Amino acid sequence: DGGITQSPKYLFRKEGQNVTLSCEQNLNHDAMYWYRQDPGQGLRLIYYSQIVNDFQKGDIAEGYSVSREKKESFPLTVTSAQKNPTAFYLCASSRGQGANEKLFFGSGTQLSVL
Amino acid sequence: AQSVTQLGSHVSVSEGALVLLRCNYSSSVPPYLFWYVQYPNQGLQLLLKYTSAATLVKGINGFEAEFKKSETSFHLTKPSAHMSDAAEYFCAVSGFLKTSYDKVIFGPGTSLSVIP
Repeated sequence: DGGITQSPKYLFRKEGQNVTLSCEQNLNHDAMYWYRQDPGQGLRLIYYSQIVNDFQKGDIAEGYSVSREKKESFPLTVTSAQKNPTAFYLCASSRGQGANEKLFFGSGTQLSVL
Repeated sequence: AQSVTQLGSHVSVSEGALVLLRCNYSSSVPPYLFWYVQYPNQGLQLLLKYTSAATLVKGINGFEAEFKKSETSFHLTKPSAHMSDAAEYFCAVSGFLKTSYDKVIFGPGTSLSVIP
């Protein structure tokens, strides 16, 4: 079945450490996104990519980095510069980048700080 | 800035009762509107979307939503709640920006509890 796979499901970060969240899709979608979810705040866009080898900052990109070397993969690195990384991270994709495109989501990664 | 508000961060209904989840958006431009559902520890999945074809939109699992331009609202309803409807519901909008990428703006979410 086609879909989006996020790993790991749970991740713990030590102070000063960089961690990478994996996101893989087999939907052949061009656009991919990373969202951060905090209780009571909805979803906030971190980064998005409309095509391979290209990505743009979202609303809360500081302390995060991404790459898009393959169409199927869009990993997110939470760097030590992100001082409050504890959150639920969701990866999503869409067939295109139009305003009415449906977003397909992975099952998320819960990141916590040790 | 464009925004989406969802009145009531938590709603409780009895099984079999009407479900009403409220969503209002701030825009003078008719946007695209979506409702997504999130079950515990999972990602979001699309319930329904409005794209101007009809003001009353039917979605999956018996949910529907009505677009009211004059009220800038897109409330989600279901005639009879089921235990399996317990989840977090997010209203989302897009279509404000006429650029190559039009950002989706999510509301803060409403947690729905269904009481047996």
